[in-house]
Amino acid sequence: KQEVTQIPAALSVPEGENLVLNCSFTDSAIYNLQWFRQDPGKGLTSLLLIQSSQREQTSGRLNASLDKSSGRSTLYIAASQPGDSATYLCAVNHNTDKLIFGTGTRLQVFP
Amino acid sequence: GAVVSQHPSWVICKSGTSVKIECRSLDFQATTMFWYRQFPKQSLMLMATSNEGSKATYEQGVEKDKFLINHASLTLSTLTVTSAHPEDSSFYICSARDGNGISYEQYFGPGTRLTVT
Repeated sequence: KQEVTQIPAALSVPEGENLVLNCSFTDSAIYNLQWFRQDPGKGLTSLLLIQSSQREQTSGRLNASLDKSSGRSTLYIAASQPGDSATYLCAVNHNTDKLIFGTGTRLQVFP
Repeated sequence: GAVVSQHPSWVICKSGTSVKIECRSLDFQATTMFWYRQFPKQSLMLMATSNEGSKATYEQGVEKDKFLINHASLTLSTLTVTSAHPEDSSFYICSARDGNGISYEQYFGPGTRLTVT
């Protein structure tokens, strides 16, 4: 059974810091991996999607890497801003049909 | 592109009544839609997978007679919570997969907060 874990569970940093959020999964036979952002009481915003054949994806200040063989992905946030405060979720697509979500990292960036 | 809407965004109902939540793909055809529920400060848990024109596939532990799913068209899926109870209060989120896409990416709706009193 696929299990997805995110570390840390919560993170509070001053703005301007570069951040690394971690995601690990137990079954490396994934189709792709997505990183999402969720603001309180809101739905999900897709940030980055990495196909299993890819090693990283970049969008603006965000960079996500994937090491499928070791079951790990990291989301790198450069020069964090208060507006980055949210919960970040990673999810693996295991058999092209179901997304298995991680436990989430609650990020707070203070001015 | 790839916008998914949900209606209503929030609903309060009395215990024992039924509530219907709609999920629509606005600018693409979704052969497959997914329903998730999320309890406070927890992650999303898949409830069921809905395929257009066929019966939904429910995850283990989800009562199919309580959570009725209908996917009658390529742009609309509905979730009906029947005989709702306070423990059904949760945040329900749907997602849709573009039937013509090759990445199997899911696009998520904004969620519906259900409160059962």
